[in-house]
Amino acid sequence: AQSVTQPDIHITVSEGASLELRCNYSYGATPYLFWYVQSPGQGLQLLLKYFSGDTLVQGIKGFEAEFKRSQSSFNLRKPSVHWSDAAEYFCAVGGATNKLIFGTGTLLAVQP
Amino acid sequence: DVKVTQSSRYLVKRTGEKVFLECVQDMDHENMFWYRQDPGLGLRLIYFSYDVKMKEKGDIPEGYSVSREKKERFSLILESASTNQTSMYLCASSLDFRVRGNEKLFFGSGTQLSVL
Repeated sequence: AQSVTQPDIHITVSEGASLELRCNYSYGATPYLFWYVQSPGQGLQLLLKYFSGDTLVQGIKGFEAEFKRSQSSFNLRKPSVHWSDAAEYFCAVGGATNKLIFGTGTLLAVQP
Repeated sequence: DVKVTQSSRYLVKRTGEKVFLECVQDMDHENMFWYRQDPGLGLRLIYFSYDVKMKEKGDIPEGYSVSREKKERFSLILESASTNQTSMYLCASSLDFRVRGNEKLFFGSGTQLSVL
């Protein structure tokens, strides 16, 4: 079955600190993996995606994610967090079936 | 830019009413999706459609049905609304993922439905 687990419901980091948001997935074939961000009162915006090839993918706003097949993970990272990064982050998995399943989200708070 | 339009931003209905949520996309996308978003539960897929008149159940289809008579429009129907269907409903569309570069969902701004 297709599923996504985001083990951290809520994370707080200081501005300027590094960030890693965890995502584990279950998928029977080659996965397509995504990270989306939702700012308060806003719609979802695609940060980055992985389909194949280089396992380290770069996204918008300075984010990157690394696909690790052996760990079934696709963790999101940013070296230095800005106050504007405070938002909810969703990991999602899909594939050739075109069905996209999202995780429960991680709410990021940024302390000044 | 791709536009996914949901007909209502806020909707208040009574228990037992039949409710229609409408979604229209303007980019000739094959796929359309309905999700509901609840705090702590993330986005859960209700139904999706990969072509006109084609539909597949998502993870939580109970109490819902859908209609896709035209490619650009995907309707979510609550046959008899209940209080546990109070939620934010998000519509999305995409091209076929099997074509490289298409793997992206475009979301509408959502409909906050309250069932009293």
